[in-house]
Amino acid sequence: AQKITQTQPGMFVQEKEAVTLDCTYDTSDQSYGLFWYKQPSSGEMIFLIYQGSYDEQNATEGRYSLNFQKARKSANLVISASQLGDSAMYFCAMRETLSGGSYIPTFGRGTSLIVHP
Amino acid sequence: EAQVTQNPRYLITVTGKKLTVTCSQNMNHEYMSWYRQDPGLGLRQIYYSMNVEVTDKGDVPEGYKVSRKEKRNFPLILESPSPNQTSLYFCASSLFSDFIQGGTRNTGELFFGEGSRLTVL
Repeated sequence: AQKITQTQPGMFVQEKEAVTLDCTYDTSDQSYGLFWYKQPSSGEMIFLIYQGSYDEQNATEGRYSLNFQKARKSANLVISASQLGDSAMYFCAMRETLSGGSYIPTFGRGTSLIVHP
Repeated sequence: EAQVTQNPRYLITVTGKKLTVTCSQNMNHEYMSWYRQDPGLGLRQIYYSMNVEVTDKGDVPEGYKVSRKEKRNFPLILESPSPNQTSLYFCASSLFSDFIQGGTRNTGELFFGEGSRLTVL
């Protein structure tokens, strides 16, 4: 079973509109971290936002916010006021600390976002 | 500047010709990892290392080797490359779990290299 599920292979949004990219996760850890990364067409991986499992408030970074619903095991990325430069692949990732101390970041398959002018 | 450096960035090679992709980080990170990215499959972990001389298999280790003789370096070795290893490869590093020091929070995020696009003919 996948640990990170991104159900939207592709999303389209109008410039200046908000968009939500879905991410659900599966873990039995009590302490874990959730991340979103952006990969533009140039290929590099850009860290966007982080949410710790014990954080009580949803993380925000500029136009990015993470809608963290722990009971539902979801960590959706919300991009407000979309810009053309937001067109990219977006990956949700989770960091778990497994028994024995192994540290395993796991990635979803990604969502391709296209922002229309 | 804090960074993860991979080389080569682009490589075309032939089946069976051994190659090494180097990875170096200057952030004193304990954790280093290799991923491959293929269309529709996201990033899949090949190998990872928790510290010097400590390496372990990820999800797709077949056909790859790694070593961690120094903290900063984590090379990926393809002893006998095959066409199904044609992919985009990323090296990444991080500190371990999040903590707060001096008012600054470390999230344990992964820092990525720029990627190495490998084609095996």
